[in-house]
Amino acid sequence: DAGITQSPRHKVTETGTPVTLRCHQTENHRYMYWYRQDPGHGLRLIHYSYGVKDTDKGEVSDGYSVSRSKTEDFLLTLESATSSQTSVYFCAISMGLAGSETQYFGPGTRLLVL
Amino acid sequence: GQNIDQPTEMTATEGAIVQINCTYQTSGFNGLFWYQQHAGEAPTFLSYNVLDGLEEKGRFSSFLSRSKGYSYLLLKELQMKDSASYLCAVRVPYSGNTPLVFGKGTRLSVIA
Repeated sequence: DAGITQSPRHKVTETGTPVTLRCHQTENHRYMYWYRQDPGHGLRLIHYSYGVKDTDKGEVSDGYSVSRSKTEDFLLTLESATSSQTSVYFCAISMGLAGSETQYFGPGTRLLVL
Repeated sequence: GQNIDQPTEMTATEGAIVQINCTYQTSGFNGLFWYQQHAGEAPTFLSYNVLDGLEEKGRFSSFLSRSKGYSYLLLKELQMKDSASYLCAVRVPYSGNTPLVFGKGTRLSVIA
């Protein structure tokens, strides 16, 4: 158990509204990631963080922003949700021996944008 | 760009052996991962290969050939609970904590 929680676990929202998803970890991991998973596309990286206030874009970052003001929390914000952002969002952390770190995933958040 | 290919679906019989293949073409390589994902759940880590050869872990084994850009996951003595999607992922470039690039997953159905 990598000690990762995500909130909310399910959310329904309307197009144009802002949405923030939270990823919380309890084990002081430095690296955290946000992925989305859609049928036919697999898991795709949105943003990741390599420390407090240190973030970088992933493959599908348009329409998303992130913040990491403390080690344990990594927030994903949809400034103005669109139907194309309906998806399952997974947070992950990286842990293990240096050079062979493995990513472990949180339980996911199912987001429906109407 | 990065390209990871694996079959979309496979079906196998309970008690049998199944091999799920993964081929990759990536700009650099620092490890290949296999994850299992049951419907409606998060991916869970199964195996990691960074050197050529076979890694065995109970009923599951994973093989890597870096020169061929090829890996497979071997599941023995299949059980109904092995019905799940299996995700192949590659880490690029040469750094321990860079994000993973995932294939689209192989949905395995185990039938009686």
